[in-house]
This record gives sequence, C-alpha cells and structure tokens, in this order.
Amino acid sequence: DGGITQSPKYLFRKEGQNVTLSCEQNLNHDAMYWYRQDPGQGLRLIYYSQIVNDFQKGDIAEGYSVSREKKESFPLTVTSAQKNPTAFYLCASSIAGTDTEAFFGQGTRLTVV
Amino acid sequence: AQSVTQLDSQVPVFEEAPVELRCNYSSSVSVYLFWYVQYPNQGLQLLLKYLSGSTLVKGINGFEAEFNKSQTSFHLRKPSVHISDTAEYFCAVSPLSGGYQKVTFGTGTKLQVIP
Repeated sequence: DGGITQSPKYLFRKEGQNVTLSCEQNLNHDAMYWYRQDPGQGLRLIYYSQIVNDFQKGDIAEGYSVSREKKESFPLTVTSAQKNPTAFYLCASSIAGTDTEAFFGQGTRLTVV
Repeated sequence: AQSVTQLDSQVPVFEEAPVELRCNYSSSVSVYLFWYVQYPNQGLQLLLKYLSGSTLVKGINGFEAEFNKSQTSFHLRKPSVHISDTAEYFCAVSPLSGGYQKVTFGTGTKLQVIP
C-alpha cells in the first residue's frame, strides 16, 4: 500500500540531545513537509522540500534541520537549540505544485525530559 | 496573508444529533478551503475540500460543508453523528497558487460524541 511512514511513533530524549525523526513515502511525491502540532495551536510548518537536494524554511524552522537526499525520505532533526521540543510532529507529502491535497503520516510524539 | 478561525475549541453532542463545526477565514486573495479530521495520535485525513463551483461540498463519512463567500465561512455539518466521529477537526485555507506550503490551519475543534 502507498503511504507515508513516520517512525518511531513515540520518542523520548533527554534535554540537550539531538534527535532525528524519520519520514518515508512511497507515493512518488516530489514535495514533502514537516509540521509541528501543539495543543490548541493547530499545525505549524517547520520545513518543506519540493525537490531532492533542496528544502526551504517554514514558519518555525529555528532549532530544526532537515535533509532531502532521496525522493522518498525527508528526515527531521530536532537539535538542542530548539527551546521547547516536546510536541507531536507530522510529516506530509504532495505532488509538487499541487495546492489542494497532501497526505499525512501517523505522526511522532516527541517528549524531552 | 490569510488566517483561519475555528470558533469552538470543543463541541459536545449526543449521538445521532446533528452537529455544525464553525470555520471563518480571512484572506486578501481567493482561496481553497479544506476540512481535515484527526483521530487521537494519528495523522490528518482529508474530509472534504472546496476548490470552485458548487458551494455545497460533500465529503467522506457523511460530512458536508458550505462555502459562504460573503460571510467568509466554511462550516462543517453532519446531520447525525456517531461515536466514531469523536475526533479533532481542522479547517484550513490556501491561496490559489504557491504550493501546499501556503496552507494555513485553524487551531482545531474537538468533537465529543456522547452516547
């Protein structure tokens, strides 16, 4: 089945450690996105990529980094510079240039203690 | 710039009763409008979208929404809810061009269906 796979579903890390969240898609989509979701705040865009080896900052990129070495993969690293990293992280993908639909993964809940 | 306001953070409703989840938006350009559903600890699933044409849009799971340009609203309705509709619902808006990265999401409405 085609879709987006995020792993792990739950992640615990100590404060000050970098952590990488995985996002893989087999939909052959060019564009991929990372969102952060906090209670009562909806989704906020962290980074997006419209093509391999290229990515752009979203609204809240500080403290995060990404790479896009393969079309299928768009990992997100939450660095120690992120002041409040505990959140639910969602990855999505879409056909490049499409404004009207994206497909979402199941999310990763990151808790930093 | 655009914004989305979901007026109710939580909506309790009895099973088999009708429900309306309200969404208002603000934009200086024409927009697409979306409703997504999110079950606990899950991703977002598209319920329906308005792109153009008929202002009444039908989606999955018996939901529908009506686009009202004069009131800049896109309220979501279902005539009879089920326990399985308990979830969080997000309204979203996007300008007509610029890619999906331009989508702005509302803060969500939690629908609680009471048996």
